[in-house]
Amino acid sequence: NAGVTQTPKFQVLKTGQSMTLQCAQDMNHNSMYWYRQDPGMGLRLIYYSASEGTTDKGEVPDGYNVSRLKKQNFLLGLESAAPSQTSVYFCASSYEASGFNEQFFGPGTRLTVL
Amino acid sequence: GDSVTQMEGPVTLSEEAFLTINCTYTATGYPSLFWYVQYPGEGLQLLLKATKADDKGSNKGFEATYRKETTSFHLEKGSVQVSDSAVYFCAPPFWGGGNKLTFGTGTQLKVEL
Repeated sequence: NAGVTQTPKFQVLKTGQSMTLQCAQDMNHNSMYWYRQDPGMGLRLIYYSASEGTTDKGEVPDGYNVSRLKKQNFLLGLESAAPSQTSVYFCASSYEASGFNEQFFGPGTRLTVL
Repeated sequence: GDSVTQMEGPVTLSEEAFLTINCTYTATGYPSLFWYVQYPGEGLQLLLKATKADDKGSNKGFEATYRKETTSFHLEKGSVQVSDSAVYFCAPPFWGGGNKLTFGTGTQLKVEL
């Protein structure tokens, strides 16, 4: 039982490049989340998916897109990376998107955009 | 709407000192809260849950007590250890929809010998 896994662990991009961050969970959770963590800002929600095939915007969705084609996977895309997207990205999952449900986090992806 | 305000850090304590990290949560509905901990280089993990009904959550020596007069769930530990050095986040339940409120800004704790 690996929990929540993220790939890659580290990534360096040049401005304008695109990439996809991958997240997988093996807990059969219905809901998944993408956050970014910046110094002094805590965690900010980018997008979430309440269930397979559905996605919704979080607090800071601009410049990102997501895909939840399979229940166990949640992909975060950057179409044209900008230096402002330099951050640590965390994926999380929970049994449901509402109510008193604990979120389980992956180890994070550290992204640097030059 | 709901709002959460977390004590700013960093907090530096000596080993065996008493810890309090403040988190004020103004809830329009049923007040309840998670406390998560992030150790260096890792993702967040659940430390404890606290609900008004139970008044207090606890785990690994940490407790979060609901204080009605201030609508707050403060995280406390009677005697901290160096291994408790981490960033602590409070977070209300995630309700989705129009409520995008998730995590407090985090409080960094450093425990020294």
